[in-house]
Amino acid sequence: EDKVVQSPLSLVVHEGDTVTLNCSYEVTNFRSLLWYKQEKKAPTFLFMLTSSGIEKKSGRLSSILDKKELFSILNITATQTGDSAVYLCAVEAYNTDKLIFGTGTRLQVFP
Amino acid sequence: DTGVSQDPRHKITKRGQNVTFRCDPISEHNRLYWYRQTLGQGPEFLTYFQNEAQLEKSRLLSDRFSAERPKGSFSTLEIQRTEQGDSAMYLCASSPATGEGNTIYFGEGSWLTVV
Repeated sequence: EDKVVQSPLSLVVHEGDTVTLNCSYEVTNFRSLLWYKQEKKAPTFLFMLTSSGIEKKSGRLSSILDKKELFSILNITATQTGDSAVYLCAVEAYNTDKLIFGTGTRLQVFP
Repeated sequence: DTGVSQDPRHKITKRGQNVTFRCDPISEHNRLYWYRQTLGQGPEFLTYFQNEAQLEKSRLLSDRFSAERPKGSFSTLEIQRTEQGDSAMYLCASSPATGEGNTIYFGEGSWLTVV
């Protein structure tokens, strides 16, 4: 059965710290991996990764995919309190059009 | 606002009652999804439509759940004879179904509490 595992489940840091969130997956016919940020509402899209080794970057957030080892990381540098959220990882397979989500990593950034 | 919109945002109902949620996807997105999310969990896939055709349903979707997208635009999700275990946030999402992976965009969600 396809699955996505995120770690750590929870992370508490101070403003200015750098964090790395992990996502490993097992899926047949992998197509893409997506990262979402969820505050107290719906998930908002961050990145989609389809190829190994290519870093996607947006401001202080970046992500990279390793298709050989079946994982992705999401880095956040110089964290701010506004980064506090649950970060969700999801994967999509070619034989289906749905996303399979992990349980998320809850990040809390304190001033 | 041209995002995915859902209605109602919150619903409290007594066990055994029926509830219906509506979703209006982003214009011209031909794929529409329903997910369910409980506290501390990621969203779980329920069903999805390509235009008006319902192409996949999860095993999570019992006979009490039915979804429609009659004209390929908005969709409804109905839960009959609600149970306390149905309490969750019901998320609708849509995507344009391009050839390059499937970025889906979520609505704000409809919170259901069954008492």
